This record gives sequence, C-alpha cells and structure tokens, in this order.
Amino acid sequence: AQKITQTQPGMFVQEKEAVTLDCTYDTSDPSYGLFWYKQPSSGEMIFLIYQGSYDQQNATEGRYSLNFQKARKSANLVISASQLGDSAMYFCAMRGGQGGKLIFGQGTELSVKP
Amino acid sequence: DSGVTQTPKHLITATGQRVTLRCSPRSGDLSVYWYQQSLDQGLQFLIQYYNGEERAKGNILERFSAQQFPDLHSELNLSSLELGDSALYFCASSVGGGRGGEAHEQYFGPGTRLTVT
Repeated sequence: AQKITQTQPGMFVQEKEAVTLDCTYDTSDPSYGLFWYKQPSSGEMIFLIYQGSYDQQNATEGRYSLNFQKARKSANLVISASQLGDSAMYFCAMRGGQGGKLIFGQGTELSVKP
Repeated sequence: DSGVTQTPKHLITATGQRVTLRCSPRSGDLSVYWYQQSLDQGLQFLIQYYNGEERAKGNILERFSAQQFPDLHSELNLSSLELGDSALYFCASSVGGGRGGEAHEQYFGPGTRLTVT
C-alpha cells in the first residue's frame, strides 16, 4: 500500500532562516511523483513543487527545493529565507497508481516568527 | 489563482438533503479529481474523471456520485447528507492522468465548504 508520512505536526522558524519539512513515503510502484502543497488559513491548496521518481536532479522552484533521497524514500521540502507569509499548513503528497490520484500526508503546520 | 473554479464557496444544508458541487478545470486539463478534507480523516481522494470517463475511485461513499460532462466540467453529488459529511471539498485538475499516462502538477480549486446541520 502507498503511504505518506509527515512526522512533524508543527514547526517554528525565525524569519529569514531556512527550514526543512520532512516527508517519507512508501510505494512499490517503480514510477511515481511527489508533490508539496501549501494550505494557508484561508483554505486553498497551493501547488509548490513536483519531483518525478526518475528525475535525476532535485526540483527547485524559487525559494522552494525538494531534497529527494530515493534510497531513503524521503522527499523533504526546504524553504529558504522564510517569510511571514510562509506560515501555513504544508502537505506532502504522492501520485499513486493508475490515473494520478494523490495520497496526502497529515501535514506540518509551519509558523514563521518575526 | 490556480485556474480551477468551484461553486459554491460555502454551502449549509440539513441532514438528509442532497447537494451538488460544481468544478471547472483549468483550460486544457482533461482530468478532474475530487478530494474531501475533514479534521478526522485529513485529505482523502474520492474520485477521478479523465476526458469524461471515470478513471479511479477512492473512499467515496455510495451516497456520493460524480460525473464529468463533455465540456469537461464536473459535478459531485452528495445525497442523504449526514453530519459527518461536513468537510471542505476540493476539485483539482491536471493535463494527464489517463491510463498509463503521467499526471504531473495537480492544481486545486478554492474548495467548497459544506456544513451539514
């Protein structure tokens, strides 16, 4: 069965510092995709970054990068130079099986302190 | 703005009633996915349609049904509503997601917050 685990229910980071949000996954599929989404208090789900299982390089999107370690089955999100607006819930997800449905972790609530 | 639209934004209804949630995918996207987010269950996949056909089914109750129309918009019908159906319902879309195809980024709509009283 496919599973996503986020072990940090909540995290604090000082403004302008970098922070790493952990995500581990479990799948027997040879091909899969890993996603990170941000959900601010307003409720919408904002796509941040995607990593394919066959991608050789770690994905980056602006201040977001995904530290993909295939052998360890981890896909940690790194946010550099944190901003107050980064305070939100962050979800790691995996595309599983036919069709592309996403399986989500429980989320990590990030609070950025001024 | 993701380009995915959902209506209505909020819905308050009574137990036993039936409601319809509507979603329009991003231009060019063929797949529509429905997810339910609740405090106790987290974010759960309900059902996916690809170019009008059902592609995958998750933990969707028999009281719930969905369809995707020729113009690719989708509707999620929830009937015989119970208090436990209160949740945030998201629609997402992607270009791919067909049989054997890669589905890359999935973009989410703003969600419909359903409250059953």
